[in-house]
Amino acid sequence: GAGVSQSPSNKVTEKGKDVELRCDPISGHTALYWYRQSLGQGLEFLIYFQGNSAPDKSGLPSDRFSAERTGGSVSTLTIQRTQQEDSAVYLCASSLASLAGTRGELFFGEGSRLTVL
Amino acid sequence: QKEVEQDPGPLSVPEGAIVSLNCTYSNSAFQYFMWYRQYSRKGPELLMYTYSSGNKEDGRFTAQVDKSSKYISLFIRDSQPSDSATYLCAMSRNYQLIWGAGTKLIIKP
Repeated sequence: GAGVSQSPSNKVTEKGKDVELRCDPISGHTALYWYRQSLGQGLEFLIYFQGNSAPDKSGLPSDRFSAERTGGSVSTLTIQRTQQEDSAVYLCASSLASLAGTRGELFFGEGSRLTVL
Repeated sequence: QKEVEQDPGPLSVPEGAIVSLNCTYSNSAFQYFMWYRQYSRKGPELLMYTYSSGNKEDGRFTAQVDKSSKYISLFIRDSQPSDSATYLCAMSRNYQLIWGAGTKLIIKP
């Protein structure tokens, strides 16, 4: 596709429910990132995928959060037993390679806005 | 204390003014410094990055890095209403970006 695509764009859920957020990166981009942006805050790193290497999950805030990337392309971020503090915009980005990411050459999707009631 | 500090604003200036946006940071190991623009309900888009200290210019935008002071700046010349957005600074630690909170900029026609 022309850009990074994320779905759903908005998700309202009840506390305790599970949610899945999807990211379709730019074709050919080997690196994929998930960030979280809370109101009035900078972006917070969650997880990084690079090719077939083991992902860097060091930013995941708790074991309720998990992510996978299938076939080196589409990624899904899953939040189990959602809590109100999980409410935020979840942003996915991709880059050509990790060096491009080091230079900040990331292409972001428009985000999935999650509201937990 | 946050690794990257950025005044959230809002900063309101008249059209045509020169805008100065700034960030300070605490980790001297940062080597790449970026500025992103984010419109409401959109993802951030990279404006420019700078490696180490120095200046970089791209059209109406100039980025400056002063590593001795741990201070970076973005200048916007001849500001336009379309420049109204939130501007985020970021710095890289390998592939992880460490972000400021963003400054909301309003350009008044």
